[in-house]
Amino acid sequence: IAGITQAPTSQILAAGRRMTLRCTQDMRHNAMYWYRQDLGLGLRLIHYSNTAGTTGKGEVPDGYSVSRANTDDFPLTLASAVPSQTSVYFCASSDSGTPGDIQYFGAGTRLSVL
Amino acid sequence: GQNIDQPTEMTATEGAIVQINCTYQTSGFNGLFWYQQHAGEAPTFLSYNVLDGLEEKGRFSSFLSRSKGYSYLLLKELQMKDSASYLCAVMDSNYQLIWGAGTKLIIKP
Repeated sequence: IAGITQAPTSQILAAGRRMTLRCTQDMRHNAMYWYRQDLGLGLRLIHYSNTAGTTGKGEVPDGYSVSRANTDDFPLTLASAVPSQTSVYFCASSDSGTPGDIQYFGAGTRLSVL
Repeated sequence: GQNIDQPTEMTATEGAIVQINCTYQTSGFNGLFWYQQHAGEAPTFLSYNVLDGLEEKGRFSSFLSRSKGYSYLLLKELQMKDSASYLCAVMDSNYQLIWGAGTKLIIKP
């Protein structure tokens, strides 16, 4: 039982390169989320998906895109990485995204853009 | 704007009690969550409050006052493994979680 799996666990990327962070959940949750976590700041929502086939923008969506082709997978793509995207990225999922719904997190991807 | 405030760092002694406060100003309120995050790991769920009052779960308790925009997490009988960051998050009117920066709790023997 994996829960939420993120890959890669860490990556060093040259600025300007394209990168896709992978996220897979096996809990059959409807809602999925991508956050970034930076020192001294709270988790910030990048994009979310309430159900397969739909996506929405969070607080800091610029420079990122997502897709939700099926229930289990929610990849995050950086089209052209910039140093300010150096961060720890967490994928999370929840049953429905409604009040009281607990979000469960993957182990994170540590990304450095040089 | 939306804002969640919590202390940056706290220190406590093993076996003691510590209270971590969180104040919030958000557009709408659909509940407040506390998560624990050990260094280098993912956040894990601790508690959820949507009504005023105290919720107790073993050594951990969480309190909410909606009128004051205030919550606290109370940790009793502290253990070394409780050394972690504690994150406060509020679900807003769009059902999105707004997160505080976290309180790093250091436990000393």
